[in-house]
Amino acid sequence: DIQMTQSPASLSASLEEIVTITCQASQDIGNWLAWYQQKPGKSPQLLIYGATSLADGVPSRFSGSRSGTQYSLKISRLQVEDIGIYYCQQASSAPLTFGSGTKLEIK
Amino acid sequence: VQLVESGGGLVQPGKSLKLSCSASGFTFSSYGMHWIRQAPGKGLDWVAYISSSSGTVYADAVKGRFTISRDNAKNTLYLQLNSLKSEDTAIYYCARSSGRALDYWGQGVMVTVSS
Repeated sequence: DIQMTQSPASLSASLEEIVTITCQASQDIGNWLAWYQQKPGKSPQLLIYGATSLADGVPSRFSGSRSGTQYSLKISRLQVEDIGIYYCQQASSAPLTFGSGTKLEIK
Repeated sequence: VQLVESGGGLVQPGKSLKLSCSASGFTFSSYGMHWIRQAPGKGLDWVAYISSSSGTVYADAVKGRFTISRDNAKNTLYLQLNSLKSEDTAIYYCARSSGRALDYWGQGVMVTVSS
């Protein structure tokens, strides 16, 4: 199975700050990487697919990038509504696997 | 697009349960569908996938115990859970597959396995 190592586990940042979350894949997954946001008490929502493509309706302050087998999610100007847990997910091969999550809080 | 799960509840170890996911707002028969679960306070754990042509794939932890199926005439996805264990306790989400990403998720249904 492909392992997704996500960091950090938690993050506290100020409003308007730039936030970056990373995922390291245990093997080549190409661009088969998605990011999700899960707000408290809600189901996950797709933010980024294909490593860099923004899902419909997602604010442009979210962006995804790739460098080899390392993937990053960047929030350019943190807003209050961005609090929650963020997960990466590889879609290269079954079983689909998720990162362990990053809990984002406002400082 | 709307996905609504049902059928969860409290069940004893070793017993069975069948979850349903009612889909609307899109052509259900054209999409693959997933079940994903989340144990209380834990992360996301992929369970099973069914393609638009009803091919299936399962996580090792549920293979042989769970069965994913679909009824395109009823726009409904199912997950039959047999031989349930305490470690199957989780919120179960259905999600639509789009280019291997999961673009729409249901609100989830709780399954509690306990004596």
